[in-house]
Amino acid sequence: GAVVSQHPSWVICKSGTSVKIECRSLDFQATTMFWYRQFPKQSLMLMATSNEGSKATYEQGVEKDKFLINHASLTLSTLTVTSAHPEDSSFYICSAARDTLLYEQYFGPGTRLTVT
Amino acid sequence: AQTVTQSQPEMSVQEAETVTLSCTYDTSENNYYLFWYKQPPSRQMILVIRQEAYKQQNATENRFSVNFQKAAKSFSLKISDSQLGDTAMYFCAFVLHRDDKIIFGKGTRLHILP
Repeated sequence: GAVVSQHPSWVICKSGTSVKIECRSLDFQATTMFWYRQFPKQSLMLMATSNEGSKATYEQGVEKDKFLINHASLTLSTLTVTSAHPEDSSFYICSAARDTLLYEQYFGPGTRLTVT
Repeated sequence: AQTVTQSQPEMSVQEAETVTLSCTYDTSENNYYLFWYKQPPSRQMILVIRQEAYKQQNATENRFSVNFQKAAKSFSLKISDSQLGDTAMYFCAFVLHRDDKIIFGKGTRLHILP
């Protein structure tokens, strides 16, 4: 159990366009979901924490207007990269946690975003 | 603030050997959890092992075991009888009991050689 999916796994978009990444918990309800960014050969950097039905909490230095996060249901969170630029190219990973076990996060397989 | 330090950026060992990955952390809190995550070339993050700080007994999962030294704030991972499939990036991670933000180390890239 505890499977998290992400869609798409790989996306290429043109500079100036927006792209949406979905994160779904397939077999459990996730009250909290997390979005990470990972640059090549580096560690995971937490971008934001989203709770179902409320606004996401962004980490310092993350532009909330560029990285729009919506957690509309207990099984779905979306990250929209608005007006994407080549510097937004990265690997984006989501994770999900159950209500009572926030420290036990289950990770999605990641989405590779390339902005041309 | 909590920090996690992995001092070995890269390691290589022969298949079937035992390898130990180092991790130290810093916190003034007493209740927390420590993790080792594996990220293979597929980039899927996989939980290898978890240790609760209040437990003195070191966690083990088959060929994976930890040496948890709370006073020294050290949390090393030992992989016994290493296999080619163990080749991956390994991240040491920390989270406070009352928090949900996982703090990751910079990772150790482990190569298992045939």
